[in-house]
Amino acid sequence: GAVVSQHPSWVICKSGTSVKIECRSLDFQATTMFWYRQFPKQSLMLMATSNEGSKATYEQGVEKDKFLINHASLTLSTLTVTSAHPEDSSFYICSARTGNRNEQYFGPGTRLTVT
Amino acid sequence: QKEVEQDPGPLSVPEGAIVSLNCTYSNSAFQYFMWYRQYSRKGPELLMYTYSSGNKEDGRFTAQVDKSSKYISLFIRDSQPSDSATYLCAMTTDQFYFGTGTSLTVIP
Repeated sequence: GAVVSQHPSWVICKSGTSVKIECRSLDFQATTMFWYRQFPKQSLMLMATSNEGSKATYEQGVEKDKFLINHASLTLSTLTVTSAHPEDSSFYICSARTGNRNEQYFGPGTRLTVT
Repeated sequence: QKEVEQDPGPLSVPEGAIVSLNCTYSNSAFQYFMWYRQYSRKGPELLMYTYSSGNKEDGRFTAQVDKSSKYISLFIRDSQPSDSATYLCAMTTDQFYFGTGTSLTVIP
């Protein structure tokens, strides 16, 4: 099956610093990747849709200047949380859409803790 | 009204029981239906994928779609403690819509 990786799997950073999370599709090319946020015992919240070579589309209420998304290649998308604050602490999950547009595969997630 | 409705549970069953997980939806344009399993602190894992009404079986798992009722189900036979997880339904035309997830615990 399609494999999506994320790095790092967990990160602790100080308030005010920036953190970059990488999402890679390992065995397929992903023209579209998605970034989600998930709080404990809650469902996935779509943050943005990332298309290779173009600007990301952000969901309502998501600050695009705070959550910078770059989809530089067909196998890599990055999410940078800028000037992180404790309220940004969450589980961030990426997913990638395969050539079959109706299949979406998730990465293992990145747990971000901002102190 | 949400596009996809899913009972969050929690659902607790004894080992060996048959589990039924369900979602309803409102958009008749949905054509593709998926079930994901998410263990705690992990990303969701695609379990089943179907695009038509009827049943699709994979081992102990059966996905059922009833487009006329806008209702999908996931059945787990001979449930195991390792099945304890949150199960999310998802459906799509072009955009994906997820249910809120049902938390399942299988008690040994």
